[in-house]
Amino acid sequence: ETGVTQTPRHLVMGMTNKKSLKCEQHLGHNAMYWYKQSAKKPLELMFVYSLEERVENNSVPSRFSPECPNSSHLFLHLHTLQPEDSALYLCASSHHPVQNSPLHFGNGTRLTVT
Amino acid sequence: AQSVTQPDIHITVSEGASLELRCNYSYGATPYLFWYVQSPGQGLQLLLKYFSGDTLVQGIKGFEAEFKRSQSSFNLRKPSVHWSDAAEYFCAVGLLDSSYKLIFGSGTRLLVRP
Repeated sequence: ETGVTQTPRHLVMGMTNKKSLKCEQHLGHNAMYWYKQSAKKPLELMFVYSLEERVENNSVPSRFSPECPNSSHLFLHLHTLQPEDSALYLCASSHHPVQNSPLHFGNGTRLTVT
Repeated sequence: AQSVTQPDIHITVSEGASLELRCNYSYGATPYLFWYVQSPGQGLQLLLKYFSGDTLVQGIKGFEAEFKRSQSSFNLRKPSVHWSDAAEYFCAVGLLDSSYKLIFGSGTRLLVRP
């Protein structure tokens, strides 16, 4: 039990599908993150929400759309993805600022785009 | 630009042997420093962190790391490796001018020989 729960664990979708990834944290944190982990590449920060407001968007294509309805939940809505978007998508949470409060990660969603 | 380098992509050690994983960073000041571990199919778990003070920090699972300012390094060590330590290890730095961004290295995969 990591305190950060991601669903689904695995997802296979076609390029024309629409799907959503879900993340929930039970740690009382006030910041939540989406990271992309691809083979042989460093973790890429995609989005950051602090107190339910998006505070960072690292030039992520618009086919990825985050949503943070409250401080415990974070979604990543996916549509018209490309095969190169296949990766492990990790959700994390922390207190703000992250320097003083390390990230707590979920187990990730393994996404395959066909 | 800020960067984190983990020069070893793979390391293989025998069970019971000592371990040192290297991490170097490029940044104009002393950053916040972290080591995370990722077991297969799981998210990243924090092993230890350095913010200030004693340059030798102790973490979980018997790991320690030493910050060397002159070498811009933060190497991870363990005196006796267990088979359960086989995983991927990530060094990360937190920047003083960003409340949210951690820069991760590409990771070192540790294999443990019985």
